[in-house]
Amino acid sequence: AQSVTQPDIHITVSEGASLELRCNYSYGATPYLFWYVQSPGQGLQLLLKYFSGDTLVQGIKGFEAEFKRSQSSFNLRKPSVHWSDAAEYFCAVGGMDSNYQLIWGAGTKLIIKP
Amino acid sequence: NAGVTQTPKFQVLKTGQSMTLQCAQDMNHEYMSWYRQDPGMGLRLIHYSVGAGITDQGEVPNGYNVSRSTTEDFPLRLLSAAPSQTSVYFCASSLQGTGANVLTFGAGSRLTVL
Repeated sequence: AQSVTQPDIHITVSEGASLELRCNYSYGATPYLFWYVQSPGQGLQLLLKYFSGDTLVQGIKGFEAEFKRSQSSFNLRKPSVHWSDAAEYFCAVGGMDSNYQLIWGAGTKLIIKP
Repeated sequence: NAGVTQTPKFQVLKTGQSMTLQCAQDMNHEYMSWYRQDPGMGLRLIHYSVGAGITDQGEVPNGYNVSRSTTEDFPLRLLSAAPSQTSVYFCASSLQGTGANVLTFGAGSRLTVL
């Protein structure tokens, strides 16, 4: 079955500390992977995506993610978080044969400690 | 450049009432979709459209109707609201409807059914 798992519902990180949000997927074809961010009261915005090529992808706001095919993972990282990074983060997987549907993780809420 | 515009932002309904959530995009996107977001469940696709006159069901279509008479507009109709439809609704669009396309989201519509 196709699925996306974000194991952490909440993560609390001190401002200035590093961050890693986990995403594992199960997908039968070549995966196209996405991270979206949802700030409080807002819609979702694309952070970054992986389609092919270099497995380390850079996104907006200083985020990066690494695709590891052997581990079926696409973890999101940031070296030093800012208070403005407090938001909910969603991982999603799709593909050219996905019949227009992305498969979404349940989201990870990031809390920043001052 | 407005992107994806949703109205209303907030709505309270009584059980059995009907209403329409409006969605409009000005990017000439072929693909439009409606999601609902519930705590701990990520995003679930309700209905989608790959062009004017073409609609199809997503993961959770029951209780909702859609139509796509123009490229720009994709309204979501609740025919007889139920408390289970209390949720935050997002409209999203993309240039084309493959799982490889980046979605642009509206700001969301929070619906409460009493």
